[in-house]
Amino acid sequence: EVQLLESGGGFIQPGGSLGLSCAASGFTFSTYTMGWVRQAPGKGLEWVSDINESGARTYYAEFAKGRFTISRDNSKNTLYLQMNSLRAEDTALYYCAKASISGSAYDNWGQGTLVTVSS
Amino acid sequence: DIQMTQSPSSLSASVGDRVTITCRASPGVGNYLAWYQQKPGKVPKLLIYAASALQSGVPSRFSGSGSGTDFTLTISNLQPEDVATYYCQNYNRAPLTFGGGTKVEIK
Repeated sequence: EVQLLESGGGFIQPGGSLGLSCAASGFTFSTYTMGWVRQAPGKGLEWVSDINESGARTYYAEFAKGRFTISRDNSKNTLYLQMNSLRAEDTALYYCAKASISGSAYDNWGQGTLVTVSS
Repeated sequence: DIQMTQSPSSLSASVGDRVTITCRASPGVGNYLAWYQQKPGKVPKLLIYAASALQSGVPSRFSGSGSGTDFTLTISNLQPEDVATYYCQNYNRAPLTFGGGTKVEIK
């Protein structure tokens, strides 16, 4: 059974940094594209970032470019999202998601980790 | 960037009704279009990929169609457990934009 377990969310002041992790199990992590999707309270889904199987290719939403960094450690079956210069509008539930094949839709999602940016 | 526009933003229908949700992509995304269901308080679930392929385990009352710029999600026999918000997503190229969502309720 595929399991994705996010961690690292919390309360942070504007301008601060936070690192999210997603521990994966139940599949061969190193052979799948992974991504992050967020959802602000009461709002819709918003794609954040993707990373290919090897980690060599990364993609970002415009709002994430220059502030967020996606990475992965295939030896630890873990996906990461480093978020810097956080803003109030980054407040959201951050989901880790697994693509079904490279460059495909997300067929498995974690439960999410909540990030709250507020002074 | 690719814009994904869903309509309607919400709808109310009776059990047993046929429900149709549309998603327009600009520019086109070929058939790289997915549909997700998100029930209240739950994690999104993949329903349809490649515009019309049914994800394993998804009831056959759900179907998808379209290609290029115009896509449709159809629920052929609406059930109470289908109350949810439905999202389309482009995965043709980054940014992998989601539509704004369609909230489906039962009359």
